[in-house]
Amino acid sequence: KNQVEQSPQSLIILEGKNCTLQCNYTVSPFSNLRWYKQDTGRGPVSLTIMTFSENTKSNGRYTATLDADTKQSSLHITASQLSDSASYICVVSAGRGSTLGRLYFGRGTQLTVWP
Amino acid sequence: NAGVTQTPKFQVLKTGQSMTLQCAQDMNHEYMSWYRQDPGMGLRLIHYSVGAGITDQGEVPNGYNVSRSTTEDFPLRLLSAAPSQTSVYFCASSPRTVNTEAFFGQGTRLTVV
Repeated sequence: KNQVEQSPQSLIILEGKNCTLQCNYTVSPFSNLRWYKQDTGRGPVSLTIMTFSENTKSNGRYTATLDADTKQSSLHITASQLSDSASYICVVSAGRGSTLGRLYFGRGTQLTVWP
Repeated sequence: NAGVTQTPKFQVLKTGQSMTLQCAQDMNHEYMSWYRQDPGMGLRLIHYSVGAGITDQGEVPNGYNVSRSTTEDFPLRLLSAAPSQTSVYFCASSPRTVNTEAFFGQGTRLTVV
């Protein structure tokens, strides 16, 4: 069964601190893995997208890693800001045939940054 | 750039009523999909389309219909609303190629009473 699991479910950190969010998946065949940020009441917005051959990708203070062998990914946020408070969603895209392009979503990690 | 536009943003329905959630994209994307998001759960796929005239069911299709008469539009119809359909609905579009971005609408918050 194609699944995406994220941990922790929620996280509270102080402004300026770093944090790491985890994602494990069983989606096969694998096409790519994406991290999205979803602010309350808004649609998800893409942070990074990584293919099988990429093991790290950065977008400003966000750095995502991918280990395709163990089917694990992480999202590291550096020097957190209040505006980082949001839900972070790990999404895996299927890669072949009738499921090409289909997205599988994790439940998200709710990050709260306190001043 | 409009991107993906969903209407309405909010809607309250009585049980048994029908309605259509609208979704339009101006990026000429082949792939469009509808998701629902419930508290504590990830987005779940309702229906999707890989091109005009082609639709298919996702994980939770019961109670919903879709059609894709044009590339741009992908409406979601609730046939007879039930309280279990209270949720936030998102429409998304992307090119039907691997490793491309998916764009989401702003969501429709639906309450069925």
